[in-house]
Amino acid sequence: EAGVAQSPRYKIIEKRQSVAFWCNPISGHATLYWYQQILGQGPKLLIQFQNNGVVDDSQLPKDRFSAERLKGVDSTLKIQPAKLEDSAVYLCASSLDTIYEQYFGPGTRLTVT
Amino acid sequence: GDSVTQMEGPVTLSEEACLTINCTYTATGYPSLFWYVQYPGEGLQLLLKATKADDKGSNKGFEATYRKETTSFHLEKGSVQVSDSAVYFCALEAAGNNRKLIWGLGTSLAVNP
Repeated sequence: EAGVAQSPRYKIIEKRQSVAFWCNPISGHATLYWYQQILGQGPKLLIQFQNNGVVDDSQLPKDRFSAERLKGVDSTLKIQPAKLEDSAVYLCASSLDTIYEQYFGPGTRLTVT
Repeated sequence: GDSVTQMEGPVTLSEEACLTINCTYTATGYPSLFWYVQYPGEGLQLLLKATKADDKGSNKGFEATYRKETTSFHLEKGSVQVSDSAVYFCALEAAGNNRKLIWGLGTSLAVNP
């Protein structure tokens, strides 16, 4: 079975620019998560989708971050405008449903200069 | 709120040495406990888990026992290999309908030949 796919793997942008990340979850997985992992820290949940609805976005900085999951499959996470402190690895994970194991993609490493 | 504390790294060991990475937690109710591993350049992978007190999770020679009395879930391996070099994360899954994962900061392990 194919795993969680993410692109791009690496991205370097200047502050105040915008960037978008894409995630394709495992087929049939209803729940999709976006995490931010700053170097030396554990992942921080940014947003959780159940199909195409948002379950939890309490830690998403909504003034600059947005995410969508159209048709309940692929998802995009956007940052506009980026700040230096947004430099991190952005992880996407999916699970069959909210009570099942999460499977993680390889992540997108974002560097904001 | 719920939290996870794990020992700081980096940990450097010689091949075939014994490994213990400490993890303690604070939680209401009875959370499930996990160890995830992140190999260089890869996404997070579930290493093992335990869902109730006194359960022992095991995988790839690693073990961890859910100790309710000491609120701990220490990761152990009797003989590490160079291929075990990675970052290890302890996490708990809060009880309830929305199984949010609460993460430790991660412990980096380097095994030298």
